[in-house]
Amino acid sequence: NAGVMQNPRHLVRRRGQEARLRCSPMKGHSHVYWYRQLPEEGLKFMVYLQKENIIDESGMPKERFSAEFPKEGPSILRIQQVVRGDSAAYFCASSPDRPATQHFGDGTRLSIL
Amino acid sequence: GIQVEQSPPDLILQEGANSTLRCNFSDSVNNLQWFHQNPWGQLINLFYIPSGTKQNGRLSATTVATERYSLLYISSSQTTDSGVYFCAVVRDSSYKLIFGSGTRLLVRP
Repeated sequence: NAGVMQNPRHLVRRRGQEARLRCSPMKGHSHVYWYRQLPEEGLKFMVYLQKENIIDESGMPKERFSAEFPKEGPSILRIQQVVRGDSAAYFCASSPDRPATQHFGDGTRLSIL
Repeated sequence: GIQVEQSPPDLILQEGANSTLRCNFSDSVNNLQWFHQNPWGQLINLFYIPSGTKQNGRLSATTVATERYSLLYISSSQTTDSGVYFCAVVRDSSYKLIFGSGTRLLVRP
């Protein structure tokens, strides 16, 4: 039973480029959450999605960040025109329902040059 | 919003020692999870424990929801236990995991 799959594990971008982070939830899980971890800090909630719906994006920066969870395929976190401050680890989690255990992927470490 | 406080912030142990990590939270919760973030950055689920006591090998956890705290016990610590331990909660009627700032554990051989 595969866990939450995130790719890529590491992503390097230059300032101004776009970053796309992918997350495939565990089989049978229809709830997806994205969290960001800045260096030496705990994780902070960004967005909660169900298939084709954004339920809560209150933790997302107002500009340049977007997320989707299409009917087919993985959830995507997209960061446009990246800046140095976007450097962080981005974790995706999924659950079959809520409240329920959220299972985390290994994260994507984004570095901005 | 709900506050999650973990103590101690840092802990150094000799291999074989036991330890207790604490998590206090400021509001009623419907979910509490303990995680271990290893030195490679991976986040490992340890326990889903909104109330009661659970054990898994050398680790056990207890949550007293009415008094708003949870404890993680590590017995006979090993060097592979090193890393950061996070407590995270979901407030009633919510779904966002709110993380504490973690306890950084170093186990020396």
